[in-house]
Amino acid sequence: DTGVSQNPRHKITKRGQNVTFRCDPISEHNRLYWYRQTLGQGPEFLTYFQNEAQLEKSRLLSDRFSAERPKGSFSTLEIQRTEQGDSAMYLCASSLGSSSEQYFGPGTRLTVT
Amino acid sequence: TQLLEQSPQFLSIQEGENLTVYCNSSSVFSSLQWYRQEPGEGPVLLVTVVTGGEVKKLKRLTFQFGDARKDSSLHITAAQPGDTGLYLCASRFTGTASKLTFGTGTRLQVTL
Repeated sequence: DTGVSQNPRHKITKRGQNVTFRCDPISEHNRLYWYRQTLGQGPEFLTYFQNEAQLEKSRLLSDRFSAERPKGSFSTLEIQRTEQGDSAMYLCASSLGSSSEQYFGPGTRLTVT
Repeated sequence: TQLLEQSPQFLSIQEGENLTVYCNSSSVFSSLQWYRQEPGEGPVLLVTVVTGGEVKKLKRLTFQFGDARKDSSLHITAAQPGDTGLYLCASRFTGTASKLTFGTGTRLQVTL
């Protein structure tokens, strides 16, 4: 399968713990996006990379969130000191260029207890 | 803030019925995508429309882009249980080249 992959698919953590998610985009795609989706809502943009450069961050991305794409391939999203409000589905998408279509991975479901 | 409004929010119909889902904004889209999402999975791209007035067909699904590029509709003919899911419209607004803004979605359930 050559689609976008995300790991883990599910993560349960206690409040205050740190978590890290990984996204592997479609191999030739140079743009990678992170979104967050809460129950009953559409996905909301968090941040995106062109190659290894992080070009835009949403106001939703607090100081506890950090994303990297060190070699312009896979990306990681880390949440420090998790809060219950961080519980959501974290979605990764990739595209070839700025105006082309975005393809989504299956998401990582985070539950903070 | 650029918002996408979808209607209806929920739709429960029987197999064989037709339905239409709407997506509207007060701002002009540069392009609009329709996605379908199943529980616990990521959104799957159905179609992209770019030109005002454009109509695209995908089997029993017909997508229309408004002439002013501020609205779109998705029409499903003879719905089947496999059409069940969350239908999301998403747009790049003029001047925001990269990120997608999503609507809140229409949850469709098709029963036998």
